[in-house]
Amino acid sequence: KNEVEQSPQNLTAQEGEFITINCSYSVGISALHWLQQHPGGGIVSLFMLSSGKKKHGRLIATINIQEKHSSLHITASHPRDSAVYICAVPAAGNKLTFGGGTRVLVKP
Amino acid sequence: DGGITQSPKYLFRKEGQNVTLSCEQNLNHDAMYWYRQDPGQGLRLIYYSQIVNDFQKGDIAEGYSVSREKKESFPLTVTSAQKNPTAFYLCASSDGQGAGGYTFGSGTRLTVV
Repeated sequence: KNEVEQSPQNLTAQEGEFITINCSYSVGISALHWLQQHPGGGIVSLFMLSSGKKKHGRLIATINIQEKHSSLHITASHPRDSAVYICAVPAAGNKLTFGGGTRVLVKP
Repeated sequence: DGGITQSPKYLFRKEGQNVTLSCEQNLNHDAMYWYRQDPGQGLRLIYYSQIVNDFQKGDIAEGYSVSREKKESFPLTVTSAQKNPTAFYLCASSDGQGAGGYTFGSGTRLTVV
């Protein structure tokens, strides 16, 4: 079973700060997902990555397959970035295992 | 554009009533999944289906039922036997090509009063 750990569990930042969220997993994978969930809202898929780095606006996701680690960075954070960020990795039988999520609060 | 549609986004039901959550995909994916999220916890697998007319229990299947009569549709029924049905429910589908082939619905937030 692929164990997934996210850190930190909670994060508070001032508007404009650089934010990093980490995701570590125990079993080698082919790809990893980063998802965003706004308070009371639904899930939005941010990235799927299998190597290197991807960038979308102020969001950057990186993955190190050898280290079994991925990071999600938010540059120039804004209050609308306040959400729960979740990573997900493959498990047996083409299922996914999800991290517990990182709750981000960006204060103006 | 292809995708997954979950409806409704918010759902309220009285205790003791069965309720069915809808999940439809037009991606031609063989596999579909239902996950549950409780406040402060990670998403957990309820049921999954790898092919039409077949499905398997996940980690927390008690109190739930599913059907997969069509490739596009994988409805989840929350029965009165589910002790704590209030939660966020996420549907997903996959082309079977590992994590890269996953697509997620936006979710349904069920509140039982």
